[in-house]
Amino acid sequence: GESVGLHLPTLSVQEGDNSIINCAYSNSASDYFIWYKQESGKGPQFIIDIRSNMDKRQGQRVTVLLNKTVKHLSLQIAATQPGDSAVYFCAENLAGGSNYKLTFGKGTLLTVNP
Amino acid sequence: NAGVTQTPKFQVLKTGQSMTLQCAQDMNHNSMYWYRQDPGMGLRLIYYSASEGTTDKGEVPNGYNVSRLNKREFSLRLESAAPSQTSVYFCASSEAGGRAEQFFGPGTRLTVL
Repeated sequence: GESVGLHLPTLSVQEGDNSIINCAYSNSASDYFIWYKQESGKGPQFIIDIRSNMDKRQGQRVTVLLNKTVKHLSLQIAATQPGDSAVYFCAENLAGGSNYKLTFGKGTLLTVNP
Repeated sequence: NAGVTQTPKFQVLKTGQSMTLQCAQDMNHNSMYWYRQDPGMGLRLIYYSASEGTTDKGEVPNGYNVSRLNKREFSLRLESAAPSQTSVYFCASSEAGGRAEQFFGPGTRLTVL
């Protein structure tokens, strides 16, 4: 079946740089997307979400971009800090399916070097 | 507020043993979820409870049962544990539906020998 995937399994950046984490999805019926951050030994933590009627959404230091044409999602983190080091997951929800069923990607490990 | 709490934090079982993972939330959320996370994998939904009194299967329900005891508590039971159930289990809750922020507990690390 179709599933959410990631372009890069690991990403290493310098403190203060901007980070871009990518996610490809193959199910064109998905219309809701969400990003989670998971620090080592902890449960995932919500970052930001976006619906398919939007191309961009901004939060505090984070921006999510959605390109429906190429089925691509990205998470941009501005001025990356050591505390941003974690695994980042994207997840999708299918339009017309259960609102409760999120399909998660495998994750990208972000390492921030001081 | 404690948020979402899970017990136990760690557990080792032998094949065939049974156990119940406990989860409670103090945010008055309607919906609760159980996920498993295997190494190098994203989370996979086992069961969810949209509201008190209802439960539904997720992506990987086989070998598990759940009980929504009340609005606060949602337990996951392994009747006869198998090595394939070795994983980290996360409970989560949300105000209403999956299209909303889910708050996750700290996880239970389960090993089945």
